Amino acid sequence: GQQLNQSPQSMFIQEGEDVSMNCTSSSIFNTWLWYKQDPGEGPVLLIALYKAGELTSNGRLTAQFGITRKDSFLNISASIPSDVGIYFCAGQATGTASKLTFGTGTRLQVTL
Amino acid sequence: DAGVTQSPTHLIKTRGQQVTLRCSPKSGHDTVSWYQQALGQGPQFIFQYYEEEERQRGNFPDRFSGHQFPNYSSELNVNALLLGDSALYLCASSLYPQETQYFGPGTRLLVL
Repeated sequence: GQQLNQSPQSMFIQEGEDVSMNCTSSSIFNTWLWYKQDPGEGPVLLIALYKAGELTSNGRLTAQFGITRKDSFLNISASIPSDVGIYFCAGQATGTASKLTFGTGTRLQVTL
Repeated sequence: DAGVTQSPTHLIKTRGQQVTLRCSPKSGHDTVSWYQQALGQGPQFIFQYYEEEERQRGNFPDRFSGHQFPNYSSELNVNALLLGDSALYLCASSLYPQETQYFGPGTRLLVL
């Protein structure tokens, strides 16, 4: 099945550093979402974006919906150890409750 | 506020057997989607149920079937299990027609 291209695939950073990751698609989406998944658990929603160009923050997290509607970015500022996990982007193609197409994931590891 | 629950948490089956996984949506939600997540991959959409009917289906064979009950809970059935069906099966719920999907902890299925 289709998966969105997410980069980087993994990253090791030091506590306190800022993190950036992005997600690109060959298709247009009307909604972009960012999830975090810890080992053995389901994805947890971090941020939802509904309009092209939209910039939304949730605490130390900021995400943007690309103007072309084919990409999205997630930034984490001042990383802390509990930020460790796998971050997934996901796109939805219609305005109703419809399937999510997920990215390949970015594994984040934070060192003290 | 009860979140999405899934049962069982883990399951071991042998090739050729059949399995049934269960999901109870978040309180107030009426739509249930099922995803398969292979190790190291992002979740892949299987199908979605609303008003007790399958509304959308991903690229999965007919061996994968489902059901939604009047209380909005749902079951995923997989027949003639293959080794490649080993994965984490995730259930997500949402409220039609809103888009945001919330995930349960998943059922880890191992096929031997």
